[in-house]
Amino acid sequence: DAGVTQSPTHLIKTRGQQVTLRCSPKSGHDTVSWYQQALGQGPQFIFQYYEEEERQRGNFPDRFSGHQFPNYSSELNVNALLLGDSALYLCASSPRASGNTGELFFGEGSRLTVL
Amino acid sequence: GQNIDQPTEMTATEGAIVQINCTYQTSGFNGLFWYQQHAGEAPTFLSYNVLDGLEEKGRFSSFLSRSKGYSYLLLKELQMKDSASYLCAVPPVLGGATNKLIFGTGTLLAVQP
Repeated sequence: DAGVTQSPTHLIKTRGQQVTLRCSPKSGHDTVSWYQQALGQGPQFIFQYYEEEERQRGNFPDRFSGHQFPNYSSELNVNALLLGDSALYLCASSPRASGNTGELFFGEGSRLTVL
Repeated sequence: GQNIDQPTEMTATEGAIVQINCTYQTSGFNGLFWYQQHAGEAPTFLSYNVLDGLEEKGRFSSFLSRSKGYSYLLLKELQMKDSASYLCAVPPVLGGATNKLIFGTGTLLAVQP
């Protein structure tokens, strides 16, 4: 049983460019969240998707957007990249029924470097 | 709002015991998680406490005191592979969502021979 998978694992972009990151949740999970983890910091919640809609959003600008597909996979898009967007982007999945007290399963992340 | 504090770094010796503390201030309380994250890897679940007291799980134990807003993770018989970042996290009660967690900055533990 594959866990959460993310792609690409590493990528380098320049300021002003756009990036798309992808996530496939663990089998049986229907809810996906995205987190940004800067170096030496804990993950910060970006947003959550369930039933192909954004359900809740953290304190991130509209440059950060996402999508969830009928197979529960998800994309994170970031437009007009800034140097400060350099971070590890983590995808986490869980079954919606577990609420917010269930274990989260994380992918290994996509490390974005903005030059 | 929520605020979580934990030490930035700790060092311990192989075979020893180490306690990693976490204090939190939250609007309401819905339990506390500990995750382990090795460098370059995904965070993995260690424990979830919602009631006061100590929960033991092999070499790892987690303690919670809701009245003090305090938790600790206790690692016994330390091994080199325990070198990792340990993240304390709470789910928000107000405006919470499935799989939304508020994380501390993490405690980077270095286990030395």
